[in-house]
Amino acid sequence: QVQLQESGPGLVKPSQTLSLTCTVSGGSISSGGYYWSWIRQHPGKGLEWIGYISYSGNTYYNPSLQSRVTVSLDTSKNQFSLKLSSVTAADTAVYYCVRDVAARGGYFDYWGQGALVTVSS
Amino acid sequence: EIVLTQSPGTLSLSPGERATLSCRASQSVGRSYLAWYQQKPGQAPRLLIYGASSRATGIPDRFSGSGSGTDFTLTISRLEPEDFAVYYCQQYGSSPRTFGQGTKLEIK
Repeated sequence: QVQLQESGPGLVKPSQTLSLTCTVSGGSISSGGYYWSWIRQHPGKGLEWIGYISYSGNTYYNPSLQSRVTVSLDTSKNQFSLKLSSVTAADTAVYYCVRDVAARGGYFDYWGQGALVTVSS
Repeated sequence: EIVLTQSPGTLSLSPGERATLSCRASQSVGRSYLAWYQQKPGQAPRLLIYGASSRATGIPDRFSGSGSGTDFTLTISRLEPEDFAVYYCQQYGSSPRTFGQGTKLEIK
């Protein structure tokens, strides 16, 4: 059973960089056929896909966030990470790390529990 | 980017009734690459359906998906108390992956 767990600061100051890490257990992050995505949900709102990284390190980001997003992979720790720069209050959200079934197109079969990140001074 | 519009915004039904949720895309979804998720308060979304009509592992057969092109439907044949939640559709036929705004299924 694959499990994902987000970790990182719950409070970030405006203009700083939001950093989250996702630890994957029950499966290798290097497994072919899967990408690793980040998705966020603003309070009381819908879901927004942020971007993914492939098992080989290729990335693709949502154009709406592309200039501020970096997703990276650490295969030695079975982790992947999100960095979102120059944050504002509009980036306050629950951030989910998810497994992206890229081999079948790109739906999300396993989700972390979510990490609430608040942007405030 | 493909915009997904879900209707209705809120659906009020009673246990035992049939629920029909709609997801309409702004352009055709390639290969019927459409998924449905269920989200309960305080929880992460759960995958129900992928490929428009394939049930995910462990999903009861009262959940079914249908559709192609721009019109997709999630049907819950007979509502159980645990089915009352918010439902999202997601397309992955083109980049970026996008979600609908959700349908809230509430107890009448």
